Amino acid sequence: QSVLTQPPSVSAAPGQKVTISCSGSTSNIGNNYVSWYQQFPGTAPKLLIYDNNRRYSGIPDRFSGSKSGTSGTLGITELQTGDEADYYCGTWDSSLSVVVFGGGTKLTVL
Amino acid sequence: EVQLVESGGGLVKPGGSLRLSCASSGFTFSDAWMSWVRQAPGKGLEWVGRFKSKAAGGTTDYAAPVKGRFTISRDDSRNTLHLQMNSLKTDDTAVYYCTTVTWASAFDYWGQGTLVTVSS
Repeated sequence: QSVLTQPPSVSAAPGQKVTISCSGSTSNIGNNYVSWYQQFPGTAPKLLIYDNNRRYSGIPDRFSGSKSGTSGTLGITELQTGDEADYYCGTWDSSLSVVVFGGGTKLTVL
Repeated sequence: EVQLVESGGGLVKPGGSLRLSCASSGFTFSDAWMSWVRQAPGKGLEWVGRFKSKAAGGTTDYAAPVKGRFTISRDDSRNTLHLQMNSLKTDDTAVYYCTTVTWASAFDYWGQGTLVTVSS
């Protein structure tokens, strides 16, 4: 059971937009920065978004991040088949004094 | 170019020990906060712990499941991070990634990972 809650899977057609939610609490998302990661099978995760909404170096502007209260959201527009991957959110939890991750969301581009 | 290269993974029996290393290059290691993140087969990401830079206090933090059993150390003269794992359990079976981590807990650079299998 992850501290941060993500939907197990999302899907959309090529060219469409999808959002992935990450729900937490005041001790984590509510008072700390959220980051987002993309992971393809058999490879290391890659940082997409940090500090809630800043795109990491080299990440296309099709990827965006936002935060409202105790939830973060990753948005991906103009979906491509190459975007099929697992996506994770993460943040610091001030009460537990640990980094926490969401359980991950598998994106399928139909 | 930033490179993080883990080594030391392998098969170990429950109760055994293993020491992972992470050789780094392409950035000022002594200024970096470093971390270990693991991923059990078919599961999600799990943070193991971090070692802040000397300038930030040089302290360590650990996840609850590994506290007291795992120790992160760093050798700034050799640009190397270590993870000493003792009293290993089958639940510790995972790919272990070495990462750099920002003060805001964003993991920006990742190694390729090293597999640790704890099994009798």
